[in-house]
Amino acid sequence: GAVVSQHPSWVICKSGTSVKIECRSLDFQATTMFWYRQFPKQSLMLMATSNEGSKATYEQGVEKDKFLINHASLTLSTLTVTSAHPEDSSFYICSAPGGASNYGYTFGSGTRLTVV
Amino acid sequence: RKEVEQDPGPFNVPEGATVAFNCTYSNSASQSFFWYRQDCRKEPKLLMSVYSSGNEDGRFTAQLNRASQYISLLIRDSKLSDSATYLCVVMARGGYNKLIFGAGTRLAVHP
Repeated sequence: GAVVSQHPSWVICKSGTSVKIECRSLDFQATTMFWYRQFPKQSLMLMATSNEGSKATYEQGVEKDKFLINHASLTLSTLTVTSAHPEDSSFYICSAPGGASNYGYTFGSGTRLTVV
Repeated sequence: RKEVEQDPGPFNVPEGATVAFNCTYSNSASQSFFWYRQDCRKEPKLLMSVYSSGNEDGRFTAQLNRASQYISLLIRDSKLSDSATYLCVVMARGGYNKLIFGAGTRLAVHP
């Protein structure tokens, strides 16, 4: 079935550095990618919606200059956490409409980011 | 007010028990509804869609009441493997059909 490959699965970085998370759609084209963040014991919170070839749409309260989203092709969307701080430590997960799973939504396996 | 609200639990039940989860949503224009299951540190996985007519999948029964903006999930004959967090999810009406997740209800099934 359809797969969204998300990398890395986990990453530890120092405060002030940037981290890039990639989500690739395999066997289908992802014109749209949703990026979520989940803090412990909380739900997935939508951060932004990216669309191939255009600017991402950010949810209220999400800093677009801090969370850079690029969706340069139909199979690749990236989220870069710039100047990461410990409070950015979270579980980041992408999801694309399309593909055969999850009523048309295919999720990546998530990235656990720890900023030290 | 949160767009999707759930009782966080945890629900601690013995094997074989029947357990019910409830969820309410605030946007009356929401068009589709789902229950997802999330295991610790994993991505959410679709459990079932929810329809006004009610739908059943084995031990799981979901119900939607649009007038009350209320969604339910019933699990019968609980198994140890049912232990997880159950997320109530609503699809927002709009150009990108984004999914709005509830905070989840934790279920722990014990022997």
